[in-house]
Amino acid sequence: DTEVTQTPKHLVMGMTNKKSLKCEQHMGHRAMYWYKQKAKKPPELMFVYSYEKLSINESVPSRFSPECPNSSLLNLHLHALQPEDSALYLCASSHGIADTGELFFGEGSRLTVL
Amino acid sequence: SQQGEEDPQALSIQEGENATMNCSYKTSINNLQWYRQNSGRGLVHLILIRSNEREKHSGRLRVTLDTSKKSSSLLITASRAADTASYFCATGYSGNTPLVFGKGTRLSVIA
Repeated sequence: DTEVTQTPKHLVMGMTNKKSLKCEQHMGHRAMYWYKQKAKKPPELMFVYSYEKLSINESVPSRFSPECPNSSLLNLHLHALQPEDSALYLCASSHGIADTGELFFGEGSRLTVL
Repeated sequence: SQQGEEDPQALSIQEGENATMNCSYKTSINNLQWYRQNSGRGLVHLILIRSNEREKHSGRLRVTLDTSKKSSSLLITASRAADTASYFCATGYSGNTPLVFGKGTRLSVIA
């Protein structure tokens, strides 16, 4: 199984809502990532988990809260978002950070903040 | 910034033609990777070339790496309409440093 599964595919939320994005992989990868991507731009790294511990936080606002409940799951909790947070949120996994090998991406969650 | 720069930003060709995209970077790398992204979808890994390699092939893809010039190129031969996508290079570094993605090239292949 070489898939990274993200749910939901689409999410529309108001600025006062609380929602979560979910990501799952069963490849035994020990590094998992959240990226944000705006239209016609490259993916922008948000968070990296290595062995279920937060390893990198790229100065992301606290209205985005990541969680790694176990080695297969990665969540991104969303609260009090702004319209400019509307974007495609991509989850990815890899064997580890240090080997800088291939990243496996999910299909993304398209978020619209009203 | 370590971010790579691709050129051109956009490329439009006829089906059957070859497409060449270039990527330049600023600091020494461990490897360089190319990814493809169809509109609104996730990224798909295409090929990885290590810093001690100069050329690599995979099907219709040919990647070169020139570490002295800090640049790489991706050649897609005999392009098809289905190759229409954005292509990103990503540079890998030693240590616990995640991949750094370039700005991407948007390729349109016209049937």
